[in-house]
Amino acid sequence: GAGVSQSPSNKVTEKGKDVELRCDPISGHTALYWYRQSLGQGLEFLIYFQGNSAPDKSGLPSDRFSAERTGGSVSTLTIQRTQQEDSAVYLCASSLGGDMYQPQHFGDGTRLSIL
Amino acid sequence: LAKTTQPISMDSYEGQEVNITCSHNNIATNDYITWYQQFPSQGPRFIIQGYKTKVTNEVASLFIPADRKSSTLSLPRVSLSDTAVYYCLVGANDMRFGAGTRLTVKP
Repeated sequence: GAGVSQSPSNKVTEKGKDVELRCDPISGHTALYWYRQSLGQGLEFLIYFQGNSAPDKSGLPSDRFSAERTGGSVSTLTIQRTQQEDSAVYLCASSLGGDMYQPQHFGDGTRLSIL
Repeated sequence: LAKTTQPISMDSYEGQEVNITCSHNNIATNDYITWYQQFPSQGPRFIIQGYKTKVTNEVASLFIPADRKSSTLSLPRVSLSDTAVYYCLVGANDMRFGAGTRLTVKP
């Protein structure tokens, strides 16, 4: 079946511009996660959705970052007034959620470059 | 949430067995242990998950001692294609991947 899909796969933009990153989770997955990964580093948690609600926004690095999820499916991560330090790979994952731990299924990410 | 500690890097040679140990001293009673593998330019992918004793699948084995304060991912007869970063996670909906263990398999 279809996996997690992220778009665009690559994005180059100028400092100060706003960007939107999209994630299409696996159908039926209620949990959705956003991470950021800088070159050669581990994954940095950004935000977690259960359905359309975000019980954990603790990882968002500043108020320039926001995310939403609609219809319990597609999610958009928005970065306003981008800075060069925002350059990274942004990864999205989804899982069945629920009480038992369910493995996360990842997309291949959006590589964001801020000039 | 339980914190995990694993080696930053490991080297091995083709055909050898590789064991990567993760420490999680504060694991809670209900926590599962999950391992992921990440290749360059790809998102992590699930390898194996366990709660106690031993779990084996077609890719790896996971050994968990009785006190569950650590776990060991075992990769039998590694090949060059097993070169990747391996992450250990503990807990329900745990989002803390950390830096992982960078495994390099040499010919």
